[in-house]
Amino acid sequence: QKEVEQDPGPLSVPEGAIVSLNCTYSNSAFQYFMWYRQYSRKGPELLMYTYSSGNKEDGRFTAQVDKSSKYISLFIRDSQPSDSATYLCALRSGGYNKLIFGAGTRLAVHP
Amino acid sequence: GAVVSQHPSRVICKSGTSVKIECRSLDFQATTMFWYRQFPKQSLMLMATSNEGSKATYEQGVEKDKFLINHASLTLSTLTVTSAHPEDSSFYICSARDRLAGGYTDTQYFGPGTRLTVL
Repeated sequence: QKEVEQDPGPLSVPEGAIVSLNCTYSNSAFQYFMWYRQYSRKGPELLMYTYSSGNKEDGRFTAQVDKSSKYISLFIRDSQPSDSATYLCALRSGGYNKLIFGAGTRLAVHP
Repeated sequence: GAVVSQHPSRVICKSGTSVKIECRSLDFQATTMFWYRQFPKQSLMLMATSNEGSKATYEQGVEKDKFLINHASLTLSTLTVTSAHPEDSSFYICSARDRLAGGYTDTQYFGPGTRLTVL
């Protein structure tokens, strides 16, 4: 079993839709949770960074963490074609440990 | 803030040659840099962790004699692919950790990547 599971998609939605992206994990030692956005042929860009259960909002993006269920989500409201990219969840246990990435979900928002 | 650059962005080389890729943190000091490899439509695979002034730590299965990493300063790490072969063709991405970050604020900032094609 992989440490982090993420559906690779692709996920295709119409402009304006609410998008839900998810990852599940098996190791309860993970304490820090990140979402990265990666456009084609570019490096990942940090979108959201959380370290506790609950919700964190930043503009159209909301990150949700449920440590009891080992489940994290990223919601995108009012999705735009410019949101079309691959979204990677990344998890880290305490200290200066390495990031563990999900497979990435490819999202396409069509006008 | 938190900008990481990579050079070159794209390189094509002949089989058997060596290629050096630079990773720089432009507006912060990075005691730790990471090198990843990414194949098309796949996630990032960590190759090695590079700490300033010390030897890199390689992930299992990564040949340290083939992928030479040097982290000589707080803002520069280099990855040299020695005796490159077509199977080394990939997208190589570095990331850097801010020296001043710690605990819950610690995170990585990624470079734009280098696409290596070995003919």
